[in-house]
Amino acid sequence: SSELTQDPAVSVALGQTVRITCQGDSLRSYFASWYQQKPGQAPVLVIYGKNSRPSGIPDRFSGSSSRNTASLTITGAQAEDEADYYCNSRDSSGNHLRVFGTGTKVTVL
Amino acid sequence: QVQLQESGPGLVKPSETLSLTCTVSGSSISSGYYWGWIRQPPGKGLEWIGSIDHSGSTSYNPSPPLKSRVTVSVDTSKNQFSLKLSSVTAADTAVYYCARDNSGYDYGYYYYYMDVWGKGTTVTVSS
Repeated sequence: SSELTQDPAVSVALGQTVRITCQGDSLRSYFASWYQQKPGQAPVLVIYGKNSRPSGIPDRFSGSSSRNTASLTITGAQAEDEADYYCNSRDSSGNHLRVFGTGTKVTVL
Repeated sequence: QVQLQESGPGLVKPSETLSLTCTVSGSSISSGYYWGWIRQPPGKGLEWIGSIDHSGSTSYNPSPPLKSRVTVSVDTSKNQFSLKLSSVTAADTAVYYCARDNSGYDYGYYYYYMDVWGKGTTVTVSS
């Protein structure tokens, strides 16, 4: 099955911009989805498709994709954005499989 | 508003079978989505376990820790779907989540996303 690789941790100053990347062969065929997870809570969908946000997700979250890399950008990071972020995609094997990225811990300084 | 709720034993003995149920409210489980299970061991990342659609078509994670031990089933009369994981060990200790698996097509690409999640249930494997 496919793998999705993320940087383990990134930090961003309050109000600045941070980009989190996700790399994998399946991303050449499928858009990634992105999830935010705070300690002790279930993951929350923040980006899906080319760059769609569910209702209630602030517009400072945006997504993009190029070749085998998907990116989640937080423009004007807030303290409440400190969390773990995971990408997810369908596996490129052709079956209805899913794979999660390794996760990125975002720290807002 | 669609809601998912996991239920099942919080403690399972090694070598036994872990059984969890996810109850769907606010939507029919026959409404055309896939329904999936995800787990998260303590301090680790998310791991997709498997999913099922209303007709019973399943997909399972083929990775060695899970391969051949997983069964996901659906009960449309109760609006529920279930997970069974056999021959559990301490490595199966985790928070288990159920989620609705949605999909779309745009700009020439298919995309898949889990838009509704349960709160999760902690399962500990210990004698």
